[in-house]
Amino acid sequence: KAGVTQTPRYLIKTRGQQVTLSCSPISGHRSVSWYQQTPGQGLQFLFEYFSETQRNKGNFPGRFSGRQFSNSRSEMNVSTLELGDSALYLCASSLSPFNEQYFGPGTRLTVT
Amino acid sequence: EDQVTQSPEALRLQEGESSSLNCSYTVSGLRGLFWYRQDPGKGPEFLFTLYSAGEEKEKERLKATLTKKESFLHITAPKPEDSATYLCAVQGDSNYQLIWGAGTKLIIKP
Repeated sequence: KAGVTQTPRYLIKTRGQQVTLSCSPISGHRSVSWYQQTPGQGLQFLFEYFSETQRNKGNFPGRFSGRQFSNSRSEMNVSTLELGDSALYLCASSLSPFNEQYFGPGTRLTVT
Repeated sequence: EDQVTQSPEALRLQEGESSSLNCSYTVSGLRGLFWYRQDPGKGPEFLFTLYSAGEEKEKERLKATLTKKESFLHITAPKPEDSATYLCAVQGDSNYQLIWGAGTKLIIKP
């Protein structure tokens, strides 16, 4: 079974730009969660989607948004990028919100 | 407030030197406690789920145990390839969102 895939793997953007990251979950998984990871902050929860509905949202500004499609694939968008948005963005999928999560390799975003 | 604390922050061991990592938690109604391993620059890799106090799970040199207040990840005769950051997360019954610890960075010296 293929694992969670994330595209792109690496991205360099300039302050003020916007970016869209994509996540394809494991086949059959309907829940997708997004995390931001920086060296000093560990794993920070962004949001969780299940059956196209946002179930939970972390404490991030409105510049961070996401959505889930009917095939469970998910995208997250960050508008008006700031230097502090440089991080590893991780997507995780699970059968449902009650099951263990399986992570993708992440997208390394660098904002200059 | 739901909370997870992992200790120590970092642990250096010699190859073959067994030890334990700790994950202390406070959560309303534990639904599950999860252990993950993360290598630098990669996504976390799922290891175990524990559901109730007294439960134990093993995988190769790793053994996870659970009490009502904490979980331990025991590493027996570790090898350098066990070097990684080990993350713990709990899921409560309020909204099922995972609460993550900061991790323990484990370094095994040959």
